[in-house]
Amino acid sequence: DAKTTQPNSMESNEEEPVHLPCNHSTISGTDYIHWYRQLPSQGPEYVIHGLTSNVNNRMASLAIAEDRKSSTLILHRATLRDAAVYYCIPVGGSRLTFGEGTQLTVNP
Amino acid sequence: GAVVSQHPSWVICKSGTSVKIECRSLDFQATTMFWYRQFPKQSLMLMATSNEGSKATYEQGVEKDKFLINHASLTLSTLTVTSAHPEDSSFYICSAKLWGLNSPLHFGNGTRLTVT
Repeated sequence: DAKTTQPNSMESNEEEPVHLPCNHSTISGTDYIHWYRQLPSQGPEYVIHGLTSNVNNRMASLAIAEDRKSSTLILHRATLRDAAVYYCIPVGGSRLTFGEGTQLTVNP
Repeated sequence: GAVVSQHPSWVICKSGTSVKIECRSLDFQATTMFWYRQFPKQSLMLMATSNEGSKATYEQGVEKDKFLINHASLTLSTLTVTSAHPEDSSFYICSAKLWGLNSPLHFGNGTRLTVT
């Protein structure tokens, strides 16, 4: 499994954009980059995933570096409900193994 | 959207007893389901991959005789914690995948197990 490096924690203010970085320098050429988030005492929630091109959905945007060794999850306007642990996971097969993730705090 | 239902959401049991946790995919068929365990302030740890109609594949260090997994249908996988001990107290989470190698995982809301 490719290893990932994410900041332990980040802070944002409500209604401001948030950029959550992830380094995955050992990612293989066919691994997709998945992002999940987990609110306290809940199961993780799928956010977004992509392979090479930048991706947008109703929750977030995913910017993938040209060399695919890093990616950034972008929350365009953070809300209090976005406070969670965010996990970036390279996925090459069926198994998903989680790293430590980034704890995002959103200040009102 | 794809929904995964996990039951019960919490359970308290006495040491030495067994506990069964159910994981259902409500609106899709899942040939593969996954079981995770999460201790407080830690990340999720993959325990096993559950394959419909065949034996589960356990991660290194996970005792298959203690954590029995059954995936008898395309919508139901169960995890039984046998002879539970206080150190088995944890948050157990299941997930299921839609068909397709790169489909995202959908997670249940977890089961909080407390062994007294």
